[in-house]
Formats: sequence, C-alpha cells, structure tokens
Amino acid sequence: AQSVSQHNHHVILSEAASLELGCNYSYGGTVNLFWYVQYPGQHLQLLLKYFSGDPLVKGIKGFEAEFIKSKFSFNLRKPSVQWSDTAEYFCAVNSGGSNYKLTFGKGTLLTVNP
Amino acid sequence: DAGITQSPRHKVTETGTPVTLRCHQTENHRYMYWYRQDPGHGLRLIHYSYGVKDTDKGEVSDGYSVSRSKTEDFLLTLESATSSQTSVYFCAIRTSGSYEQYFGPGTRLTVT
Repeated sequence: AQSVSQHNHHVILSEAASLELGCNYSYGGTVNLFWYVQYPGQHLQLLLKYFSGDPLVKGIKGFEAEFIKSKFSFNLRKPSVQWSDTAEYFCAVNSGGSNYKLTFGKGTLLTVNP
Repeated sequence: DAGITQSPRHKVTETGTPVTLRCHQTENHRYMYWYRQDPGHGLRLIHYSYGVKDTDKGEVSDGYSVSRSKTEDFLLTLESATSSQTSVYFCAIRTSGSYEQYFGPGTRLTVT
C-alpha cells in the first residue's frame, strides 16, 4: 500500500519568511500528486496538483510545488508567507488505477506570526 | 464548492446508538468518498462509491457501512457508535475526467 510522509508536524514562521513543506510518497509507478489546505474551521481546499508535464506546478495564492521523481518528493513552497496562510497543509497521492482513491499525509500545521 | 452538502453539521450521540450521516451532491458525480479526520492522522478513507449501489471499503471501514441508492446521496452509518468514532467526517466527490477530489464542509460527530 502506498504511503505519504510529511516531515514537519508544526512549522512556525514570521510573515515574509520563505516556506518549504516536505512530502514524500512510497509508490514507484505513475502518480498524481496534490496539496490541500485547510483553514481553521473549514473544509479542505485544493491548493495545487500535478498529473504530468512540467514538474514545477503553480497553485493558488502564490504556492508552488516541485515534483522530483527520483526522490519520490513533492515539496510545497512559497517565497513569502502571510499571516493568512496560517492553516494545515496536506499532501495527497493517487496512484491512478485504484478508483481514484487518495492517500493523505498526516498534515503540517503552519503558524505564521505577524 | 462542487455543490456538496453534509448533514448534520454537528451531532452528539451516546455510545451504542446508530448514527447516519448524509452527503448530498447536486452535480451528478459518479465517485463519492467518506473520510474521517483525526489529529495526527490526517484524513483516512472509510468507504467510497463508484456508482449507484457500487461501494467498497477504504482503510478504516470497521464499524461503518454505506449506502448509495441514488447518484446524489451517499450515506454513512455507524451501526453502534463508539467513542473511538468521535471525529470530523468529510465527504468528497471526484469530478469526471480529473483525479482531484473536492470536499464537503464536514460533520463533527461526538460520541459520549
């Protein structure tokens, strides 16, 4: 069974700092990769996705992620965070053939201090 | 928001009672999913459906059953609720021709 690891449980940054959240997955075949964000008290929202092509994908709100196949990684980045980015971030993987089921990481809580 | 609603949004129930959560979608999506979210565990798939009357188990299906008698509704039932089923439950749909899923607003269930 595939698994997803998010290395950081809780990240605390000051506004304007750069962000990188790690995500590694275990499946060795073709994968579809996602980052979701959950603002306090809200449901999950899709931040960005990778299916194929350019391994550097851009999402909403200035976020981007890079797919590195050799490292089984899909790290999320943002050059300058804002207080409003405070949220929990989830990496998810779908291996294509399994009824489109998603396997989620355990999440990284990002706190941005003003 | 992909036209997904969940009901109830909040529920408190006692151990041993049956509970049914409803997920309703308005856009005729074929695939629907039930997840539970717990601190430190992320989201875990309980059951999913790939069509009317077509359902299958996810990774944490014990103690849960589902039904889908029409495209727009996917019901999750806890036959006899336990305290370990206290959680936030999210329904999701997959849009045709894509791999991503879109989530409903969630149901916070507390089993006392």
